[in-house]
Amino acid sequence: GAVVSQHPSWVICKSGTSVKIECRSLDFQATTMFWYRQFPKQSLMLMATSNEGSKATYEQGVEKDKFLINHASLTLSTLTVTSAHPEDSSFYICSAPLAGGPSGEQYFGPGTRLTVT
Amino acid sequence: GDSVTQMEGPVTLSEEAFLTINCTYTATGYPSLFWYVQYPGEGLQLLLKATKADDKGSNKGFEATYRKETTSFHLEKGSVQVSDSAVYFCALSDFGGFNKFYFGSGTKLNVKP
Repeated sequence: GAVVSQHPSWVICKSGTSVKIECRSLDFQATTMFWYRQFPKQSLMLMATSNEGSKATYEQGVEKDKFLINHASLTLSTLTVTSAHPEDSSFYICSAPLAGGPSGEQYFGPGTRLTVT
Repeated sequence: GDSVTQMEGPVTLSEEAFLTINCTYTATGYPSLFWYVQYPGEGLQLLLKATKADDKGSNKGFEATYRKETTSFHLEKGSVQVSDSAVYFCALSDFGGFNKFYFGSGTKLNVKP
């Protein structure tokens, strides 16, 4: 089946620094990818839609300048958390739909745990 | 807007017990409905799906029927196993999944031997 990977799987950074998280579709092309944030014991919250070749679309309340998204190719989207603060600590998950797949099924990455100290 | 409401957990059952996790949705169009499962330390995995009213999704003994009249997609399993312990998420998506997903809050299932 289709596979989506994320790198790194976990990262610890100091407050004020920036962190980049990669999301890759390994065996299919994805013109669209989605970024979610999951708080402990809570559901996934959609942050933004990453579009290859155009700007990302952010959900209401998500800071565009803080969470920079770049869809560099048909298999790669990156999320950069700029000037990270402890409240940005969370589990970040990406997903990608398989074009032409059954019912537009989406595939999720394993997630990246970010801890800001 | 679109939303999903899921029963709160945790749900604790003994092995071989019957499982029901309730899920209701609100949508402006005709969404596809999904159940995803997240095992400890792992990412989300698709458990089952249904794309139109009255469809029944099934996988690994789990079933859910798309009920448009009650806007529900309840997850059921006749006999749970310890290995079913995980967090279960109900989700919907318009346009067959190419649009963004809306997730329920998740229900943690604990199955005791």
